[in-house]
Amino acid sequence: EVQLLESGGGLEQPGGSLRLSCAASGFTFSTYAMSWVRQAPGKGLEWLSSINYSGTGTYYADSVKGRFTISRDNSKNTLYLQVNGLRAEDTAVYYCAKEHIARAGMDFDYWGQGTLVTVSS
Amino acid sequence: IVMTQSPATLSVSPGERATLSCRASQSVSSSLAWYQQKPGQAPRLLIYGASSRATGIPARFSGSGSGTEFTLTISSLQSEDFAVYYCQHYINWPLTFGGGTKVEIK
Repeated sequence: EVQLLESGGGLEQPGGSLRLSCAASGFTFSTYAMSWVRQAPGKGLEWLSSINYSGTGTYYADSVKGRFTISRDNSKNTLYLQVNGLRAEDTAVYYCAKEHIARAGMDFDYWGQGTLVTVSS
Repeated sequence: IVMTQSPATLSVSPGERATLSCRASQSVSSSLAWYQQKPGQAPRLLIYGASSRATGIPARFSGSGSGTEFTLTISSLQSEDFAVYYCQHYINWPLTFGGGTKVEIK
């Protein structure tokens, strides 16, 4: 059974940093690209960043480029998102998501349960 | 690429057909997915490649379209289908989602 378990969210002050993690199991992690998607309270889905299966290719939304860094450790089956320079508008549930079919397009067949990041002083 | 979904809210009676639209600001070919999201839950993949049902998705869900115009049809709404539906393109970077269509009970 595929499982994605995010952690690392919480309350952080504006300008602060967090490191989100997504522990993967039930599939060959090193075969699939992975992504982060967030959802602000009561709002829609916003793609943030993706990383290819090997970690050599990364992609970012303009809204987070330069502030967020995606990475992965295939030996630990874990995806990360380093979030720096937090702003109030970064308050959201952050989901990790798995590429549906390896190297066939970035639709997402499995999602984690999400981790809530709240940015407030 | 901007993804525009319509309507924002769709009121449908159980057993009726629901038709949801998604328009892309430029061609995304068939690189289009549909997701269902219920309150407090993560999104669930329904349709990929514009018209292929994901694993375990009932046949009452169907997708059509290519290029810039796409449709998700739910042939006979069941109680568990009342949710928010999102489209997403994946033709290039950045990936973008539509704003969602809420399907509510009439």
